[in-house]
Amino acid sequence: AQRVTQPEKLLSVFKGAPVELKCNYSYSGSPELFWYVQYSRQRLQLLLRHISRESIKGFTADLNKGETSFHLKKPFAQEEDSAMYYCALSPQYGNKLVFGAGTILRVKS
Amino acid sequence: EAGVTQFPSHSVIEKGQTVTLRCDPISGHDNLYWYRRVMGKEIKFLLHFVKESKQDESGMPNNRFLAERTGGTYSTLKVQPAELEDSGVYFCASSQDRLAGDTQYFGPGTRLTVL
Repeated sequence: AQRVTQPEKLLSVFKGAPVELKCNYSYSGSPELFWYVQYSRQRLQLLLRHISRESIKGFTADLNKGETSFHLKKPFAQEEDSAMYYCALSPQYGNKLVFGAGTILRVKS
Repeated sequence: EAGVTQFPSHSVIEKGQTVTLRCDPISGHDNLYWYRRVMGKEIKFLLHFVKESKQDESGMPNNRFLAERTGGTYSTLKVQPAELEDSGVYFCASSQDRLAGDTQYFGPGTRLTVL
């Protein structure tokens, strides 16, 4: 079965503090992993994907196949990072996305 | 370039009525996806079109839901008759290519409320 688990519904941090949004997945094959973000009053948009191995807006995520995790990290949170973050997997390239429940990130000043 | 558009943005109907949601993908995108998020739950896949063909409709909840994509451009999702549990936000997404590097671009969603 394909499943994405985001254990935290809400993560609240102070500006400048490190952030880690957790994501674990279950899938028997080799999925592609994504982080999507939805800012207030905006549409869902791709933040980053594991095959790109890039940093977007200071965020990085490393795929750990042994732990089946894809945690999203940022060393210093900013207020504009406040949003809903969804971890998702795609069983095959270009196919459907399986989403986690999402984590609300609140960055306090 | 215009993004994915969805109409209407909100719809409030009574149980038993019919509602049709529309999605216009990004021009040139062959792949079109429907997802929905019901209250308190995660975003779930409904179906995937490649041009006008249904590639995967494994997420469609039951036969009250009918999706079409005539001509391979815009798509409609009809719910008939609507039930209370159909309330939620319906998202459409499109992508250009099924190969590696494909990114799904999402529309703003249609919020459906069934009373």
